Amino acid sequence: GENVEQHPSTLSVQEGDSAVIKCTYSDSASNYFPWYKQELGKGPQLIIDIRSNVGEKKDQRIAVTLNKTAKHFSLHITETQPEDSAVYFCAASGPYGNNRLAFGKGNQVVVIP
Amino acid sequence: DVKVTQSSRYLVKRTGEKVFLECVQDMDHENMFWYRQDPGLGLRLIYFSYDVKMKEKGDIPEGYSVSREKKERFSLILESASTNQTSMYLCASSRTGGTTDTQYFGPGTRLTVL
Repeated sequence: GENVEQHPSTLSVQEGDSAVIKCTYSDSASNYFPWYKQELGKGPQLIIDIRSNVGEKKDQRIAVTLNKTAKHFSLHITETQPEDSAVYFCAASGPYGNNRLAFGKGNQVVVIP
Repeated sequence: DVKVTQSSRYLVKRTGEKVFLECVQDMDHENMFWYRQDPGLGLRLIYFSYDVKMKEKGDIPEGYSVSREKKERFSLILESASTNQTSMYLCASSRTGGTTDTQYFGPGTRLTVL
């Protein structure tokens, strides 16, 4: 099955700086790559996603890039704010039906004021 | 807004007890999922259901079973709880089984088995 690796496991950034989290996946048939944010005491929530026919997608301060050849995708957060502190999960799914996602292990992002 | 609710935020049980974790979604979603979340291991899929009374095993189904008698409710059952099942359990739902359908998560149940 699909294997998603996520690096680094912890990332500390100064407020206002950018943060980048990278994920790699193993199954070249995977075609959908969502990112979830989990705040303390809450369940994960989708923040942005990208499909395999697109190389980059932006939504305000967050963006995701996809490199299908290298089988990796990244989350970029610009102008980080304290409310960006959370655990971020990347995931991948393929055209196999049933919306089954393979998640990475998560990345703790700490924004230092 | 989609709402996924889980019956308990915190639960403490004894080894060998039968444990029921309940999840309810209010958006008429077809698919529902149970994950467990452990530090350093991320989210691992236990079981999912794509229709009433239908279920499929995820990556770590051993020691668990599920029940979906009604579309809005998906239960996770630990037949005989063990200490290695101490974890955070997350329920999710999605509108259909489409690959790009968003999964909506509940707040989680932190289960401790003593």
